[in-house]
Amino acid sequence: EVQLVESGGGLVQPGGSLRLSCAASGFNFNDHYMDWVRQAPGKGLEWVGRVKNKVNNYTPEYAASVKGRFTISRDDSMHSLYLQMNSLESDDTAVYYCVRGAASRAFDIWGQGTMVTVSS
Amino acid sequence: DIQMTQFPSSLSASVGDRVTISCRASQSISSYLNWYQEKPGKAPELLIFATSNLQGGVPLRFSGSGSGTDFTLTISSLQPEDFATYYCQQSYGIPRTFGQGTKVEVK
Repeated sequence: EVQLVESGGGLVQPGGSLRLSCAASGFNFNDHYMDWVRQAPGKGLEWVGRVKNKVNNYTPEYAASVKGRFTISRDDSMHSLYLQMNSLESDDTAVYYCVRGAASRAFDIWGQGTMVTVSS
Repeated sequence: DIQMTQFPSSLSASVGDRVTISCRASQSISSYLNWYQEKPGKAPELLIFATSNLQGGVPLRFSGSGSGTDFTLTISSLQPEDFATYYCQQSYGIPRTFGQGTKVEVK
């Protein structure tokens, strides 16, 4: 079964850090670009960023709202995707989804999401 | 950034109705337009990719059309399980951007 499972969410104080993980299974993880998408409570979907595959030098790309604070990485040997979040702000409060980039460029597989709450 | 505008933001419909949701991009995105369905408490799911291609398992009552800047998602005969929020998303440029969503509610 093709699956993405996020972990690492929780409550963190403003200015703090958190690292999210995403475990992939059921497909050739190495071939795909992998993205993070978030959704603040009661709001719409916001793309956070992505990391390309090895063929494309694992190049990361970010939304302007998180650039310089968040880092996306991957470990192909572990079939895992990561999101290191630093200098967290209240506006970063959201459910964070790990998503697979398909050859069509759409997001065809989504994890169940992990909640991050930034609050004092 | 490419801005995606969906309309309406919400609509009320009955089972069996034909439903149309529109999405407009702030610049041409060719056919790089995708549609997602989101139900409360669940992750979004891909419905249609590249404007008009149904993702596997998606019922044939869903269809998509358009090109350039104007796109449409149509549900030919609304079913009880279709009450949800729908998002368009462009995959033409970085950053990827979504419409604000259209909530389809029971009339």
